[in-house]
Amino acid sequence: GAVVSQHPSRVICKSGTSVKIECRSLDFQATTMFWYRQFPKQSLMLMATSNEGSKATYEQGVEKDKFLINHASLTLSTLTVTSAHPEDSSFYICSALFNTAIAPETQYFGPGTRLLVL
Amino acid sequence: AQKVTQAQTEISVVEKEDVTLDCVYETRDTTYYLFWYKQPPSGELVFLIRRNSFDEQNEISGRYSWNFQKSTSSFNFTITASQVVDSAVYFCAPPYNNNDMRFGAGTRLTVKP
Repeated sequence: GAVVSQHPSRVICKSGTSVKIECRSLDFQATTMFWYRQFPKQSLMLMATSNEGSKATYEQGVEKDKFLINHASLTLSTLTVTSAHPEDSSFYICSALFNTAIAPETQYFGPGTRLLVL
Repeated sequence: AQKVTQAQTEISVVEKEDVTLDCVYETRDTTYYLFWYKQPPSGELVFLIRRNSFDEQNEISGRYSWNFQKSTSSFNFTITASQVVDSAVYFCAPPYNNNDMRFGAGTRLTVKP
């Protein structure tokens, strides 16, 4: 399957600082990437859809000024948590959409980033 | 809109038992895909299978098998002779559908030695 990397895998930061998480598709170009948030023992919650070269589409209830998404190239999307607070602590997962005749509409996921805000 | 329901939130079995994870879906589309993903304790979601609605043949991959029944809108996943390494959360998912991507709640499978 396709490979998606995410960096960093784990980050601890102080309240009020900003944190950037990178999501890269390593062996394919991804026009569309997704950002999810997952709380312990809960399902994935889609935060936003990131399309290369255009503004991200945010899900209802997700603050776009709080969670800045940039998809500047076909292999890289970034999520910046601005002015992070303890309630932003969570597991953030990205995925890239692989859409070919062989593997249509399939999301491949990054390994996730555990964010802890002190 | 497409959505999936995984009614089993947690399942616990003893190693070597067979276990079936249920997935029921809703869709208005005539053609669609369905997916199963595995999330082990490490957290990374692993793609297991994609099924095209045109293809109702059961699929088997080693100890894993999938039963797709369009008539009952179900896409169930069976693990035969379960092993401790199968312990994970398993998600059934529809494809992304423009502002309507909703993963199921997931089924947490615990396989005890």
